[in-house]
Amino acid sequence: EAGVAQSPRYKIIEKRQSVAFWCNPISGHATLYWYQQILGQGPKLLIQFQNNGVVDDSQLPKDRFSAERLKGVDSTLKIQPAKLEDSAVYLCASSLDRWDATYEQYFGPGTRLTVT
Amino acid sequence: ELKVEQNPLFLSMQEGKNYTIYCNYSTTSDRLYWYRQDPGKSLESLFVLLSNGAVKQEGRLMASLDTKARLSTLHITAAVHDLSATYFCAVDILAGKSTFGDGTTLTVKP
Repeated sequence: EAGVAQSPRYKIIEKRQSVAFWCNPISGHATLYWYQQILGQGPKLLIQFQNNGVVDDSQLPKDRFSAERLKGVDSTLKIQPAKLEDSAVYLCASSLDRWDATYEQYFGPGTRLTVT
Repeated sequence: ELKVEQNPLFLSMQEGKNYTIYCNYSTTSDRLYWYRQDPGKSLESLFVLLSNGAVKQEGRLMASLDTKARLSTLHITAAVHDLSATYFCAVDILAGKSTFGDGTTLTVKP
């Protein structure tokens, strides 16, 4: 079974530029998550989708971050404009179904973003 | 706001020794996860604990959950070098919305 796919793996941009990340979850997983992991910290949930609807985006900085999950499969996360403090690893994860009691999440390899 | 605290944050131990990592959280929850992260890698799910008193074991690692004390432990038995990694606990209060601790970086020395 293929795992969660993410691209690109690395990205370097200058502040005020825009960037987009892509995620393809495990086939059949209805729930998709985007996390931000700053060096030395645990991942912080940015947004959670159930199929193509948003379940939670309370920690997404909506003035500069946006995310979509068209057709309930793959997803993109965008930052526009980027700030220095956005330098982090962006992790995508998926879980089987909202009604799966475990909500066990499977993580992709992440995208390491450096903003200069 | 849910707070998840792990301790210790850094742990250096000798091969063959035992040790315990603690995860405390501030809000009632009966769903807790442990993950492993190797340097430069993503997170790997180790344990899913779904109820008070839950205990799971895999190899030299054993995780338990006490929901009344809001405490989970990850016990390491007879540590080996391959266990060197960062371990995170995450607490789920609502339908997959997880809050992570800051991780415990474990180094096992020969």
